[in-house]
Amino acid sequence: EPEVTQTPSHQVTQMGQEVILRCVPISNHLYFYWYRQILGQKVEFLVSFYNNEISEKSEIFDDQFSVERPDGSNFTLKIRSTKLEDSAMYFCASRTSGPVSNQPQHFGDGTRLSIL
Amino acid sequence: DQQVKQNSPSLSVQEGRISILNCDYTNSMFDYFLWYKKYPAEGPTFLISISSIKDKNEDGRFTVFLNKSAKHLSLHIVPSQPGDSAVYFCAASIRAAGNKLTFGGGTRVLVKP
Repeated sequence: EPEVTQTPSHQVTQMGQEVILRCVPISNHLYFYWYRQILGQKVEFLVSFYNNEISEKSEIFDDQFSVERPDGSNFTLKIRSTKLEDSAMYFCASRTSGPVSNQPQHFGDGTRLSIL
Repeated sequence: DQQVKQNSPSLSVQEGRISILNCDYTNSMFDYFLWYKKYPAEGPTFLISISSIKDKNEDGRFTVFLNKSAKHLSLHIVPSQPGDSAVYFCAASIRAAGNKLTFGGGTRVLVKP
């Protein structure tokens, strides 16, 4: 069964450094998402991406964050200058179909980001 | 963000019995609801969904019920199996707004043999 893959599984970075989290969505999917879960808190939406542009972003997704689909398969989340509070589990998700859909999102296994 | 709430942080059930997980929401614009299961060190795995035009959806051992007037949904697992032990998340979305998911806090289910 096709799946969303994320790399690395664990990333340790010094505060202030840039980090790039990578995701390979399911190949025929059109809509891509990033979520994060801080330890002990809810899974929260960061950003959605469709047709090569951001379709929605949360208030968490400030100027330090960016997303890119550099080729036909990868979807990346960049944090420009990491802060301690960016430590979290980051999940990538994708789904098929267009903007209005009953298709569920499928999630990767996440990248644990630890900021020191 | 309290738009989606799961008031029971944990649930313990005997193997073979029914597990009932509950979820409440406040945003009446939500029109698509999903349940995900999550094992440690893995991402959420989609289980079952329901759109707001229905009040019940069934898939094998899993049934989701939606009560729009009460803004409440529930997941029934019958019969429960030890492999069902996991954290279950309720999520809601507005399809016309791109389907971003708003999650509940999760319910940890333990199925005892």
